[in-house]
Amino acid sequence: DARVTQTPRHKVTEMGQEVTMRCQPILGHNTVFWYRQTMMQGLELLAYFRNRAPLDDSGMPKDRFSAEMPDATLATLKIQPSEPRDSAVYFCASGSRQGGYEQYFGPGTRLTVT
Amino acid sequence: EDQVTQSPEALRLQEGESSSLNCSYTVSGLRGLFWYRQDPGKGPEFLFTLYSAGEEKEKERLKATLTKKESFLHITAPKPEDSATYLCAVWFSGGYNKLIFGAGTRLAVHP
Repeated sequence: DARVTQTPRHKVTEMGQEVTMRCQPILGHNTVFWYRQTMMQGLELLAYFRNRAPLDDSGMPKDRFSAEMPDATLATLKIQPSEPRDSAVYFCASGSRQGGYEQYFGPGTRLTVT
Repeated sequence: EDQVTQSPEALRLQEGESSSLNCSYTVSGLRGLFWYRQDPGKGPEFLFTLYSAGEEKEKERLKATLTKKESFLHITAPKPEDSATYLCAVWFSGGYNKLIFGAGTRLAVHP
């Protein structure tokens, strides 16, 4: 049963600490997306990669957020330093076709910054 | 301004009571419209992709349709297990940076 996995599932940290979230896309998928979901803003696209190359990260606050894909089986989203307003659920999704074809979401990482 | 609006925000149905959810959009150069289902504490689950006006897709009790300005998700004879938040997303003018999700419709189906 192929699925996207994310770790950790929950993270509580103090303001100013570094947070790293990891995602393993579905094997064979060449596109990976990072989303953030909050009650106020809904689901927002932060960044996406195709064939491990970053294509767009315009939705991401670049002064503190960074996203990488060191290999085809791992994508990371890092926040440094974290702030309380970063509290949200972060989803990773993967897809196999260019431009808007179906995306398969992971279970999410619930981040709480105190 | 590019926008995706879903209505109603919340919908309560009795089991077997059919209804429709709406996703209206004001974007230029629509490339695709997606429907997802999201259960509490889980990631969105892909349901349908629609690419052009007039297109329809079905899956069990769900049927999605698309016009030039909106999409409908029709739910026929819903069951309590259909309770979830239904999200639509619009991809337009090329590139994933032009992907907008609606706020969703929370559906509750009661026995």
